[in-house]
Amino acid sequence: DADVTQTPRNRITKTGKRIMLECSQTKGHDRMYWYRQDPGLGLRLIYYSFDVKDINKGEISDGYSVSRQAQAKFSLSLESAIPNQTALYFCATSDSDQGGNQPQHFGDGTRLSIL
Amino acid sequence: GQQLNQSPQSMFIQEGEDVSMNCTSSSIFNTWLWYKQDPGEGPVLLIALYKAGELTSNGRLTAQFGTTRKDSFLNISASIPSDVGIYFCAGLNAGGTSYGKLTFGQGTILTVHP
Repeated sequence: DADVTQTPRNRITKTGKRIMLECSQTKGHDRMYWYRQDPGLGLRLIYYSFDVKDINKGEISDGYSVSRQAQAKFSLSLESAIPNQTALYFCATSDSDQGGNQPQHFGDGTRLSIL
Repeated sequence: GQQLNQSPQSMFIQEGEDVSMNCTSSSIFNTWLWYKQDPGEGPVLLIALYKAGELTSNGRLTAQFGTTRKDSFLNISASIPSDVGIYFCAGLNAGGTSYGKLTFGQGTILTVHP
């Protein structure tokens, strides 16, 4: 299903360009996340947002920024892309509860190549 | 920061064999999750574990939340070709500065030969 939709699915661009990756969800979840996946490293958290007015840095936020435009939309920007930002990028969502234990659900990813 | 050690890194098995993989952590998690990722797609949740000692099944998959809350394993019985993919464990914190954040293992690449 397309509960979490990422656009574009693939992007090739040049060093120094500004890039925006978009994520939208129809799950009605409050929480949204951006991850980066590199071979052999699993997924690493870039930024996350627990509601529209909440933005938090993850473990690898340098070189990235985000915007939570609405409950359903969370975009990731690379202000000046560099080659080592070539990776798979995933958006995820989760429901909120008092225990904080809700699993995250992922989009199909954006493959970004920076030349 | 927190780290998860997932093993093995890769497995090559024959169709019909059972598979076992595990994750260990240096710190405690409140929830353990197991995901599968197929090529060109995002991770899909297989099993969620919420209590220490919990054993949960989903078809041919069985996972357990370790009693120390620092480990978990996933078993796949009678493997089939469509089990091919990358399996990730993930730990979820419900408190402190890591509230609501997932920590992922490095993944286990599973190949099943017909």
